[in-house]
Amino acid sequence: QKEVEQNSGPLSVPEGAIASLNCTYSDRGSQSFFWYRQYSGKSPELIMFIYSNGDKEDGRFTAQLNKASQYVSLLIRDSQPSDSATYLCADEFSNSGYALNFGKGTSLLVTP
Amino acid sequence: DAGVTQSPTHLIKTRGQQVTLRCSPKSGHDTVSWYQQALGQGPQFIFQYYEEEERQRGNFPDRFSGHQFPNYSSELNVNALLLGDSALYLCASSSSGDNEAFFGQGTRLTVV
Repeated sequence: QKEVEQNSGPLSVPEGAIASLNCTYSDRGSQSFFWYRQYSGKSPELIMFIYSNGDKEDGRFTAQLNKASQYVSLLIRDSQPSDSATYLCADEFSNSGYALNFGKGTSLLVTP
Repeated sequence: DAGVTQSPTHLIKTRGQQVTLRCSPKSGHDTVSWYQQALGQGPQFIFQYYEEEERQRGNFPDRFSGHQFPNYSSELNVNALLLGDSALYLCASSSSGDNEAFFGQGTRLTVV
């Protein structure tokens, strides 16, 4: 069974710092990876996806993928208190259709 | 655009009962996926519907069944409810070929 592993946290960073969230995956055949943000009591919302080795940047967010190490990370620059949420890493459940295999999520707390 | 809508938002059922949850996908989306999210966990993939057929399924028992209608809306049915079925049930819609799924606000099911 495919596994996506995340440290549950909480990860606490001061406002303005860089938050680094990490994720490992078990299926070497996984191609696409996703980061979702979920505020308490709300539904997940997509931050970004990545499927090529290296970095992908979108505003304050950078996703990094290392397929050799089966490792995905999300960096949040200039962290804000509004970034406090649970961050979910996911790969695709299978190669057909857009179904996601989520990790348990990392709780991030940005302190003013 | 109303986005993905789910009903009801909250539901309390007794062990052994049956429940039906409903989902209307975002306009233009033809694929609906259902997830179960227990407290403190990441969403777990239940199944996905496309063209009124179950296209793929996660590791859930046959007590969990679903349906997709010609207008792409979907239902999730759970029979013989167990206490362990208490969770947030999320519906996500997507369009074939897209790399983004939009989640509804979820249905909070409590089994007593």
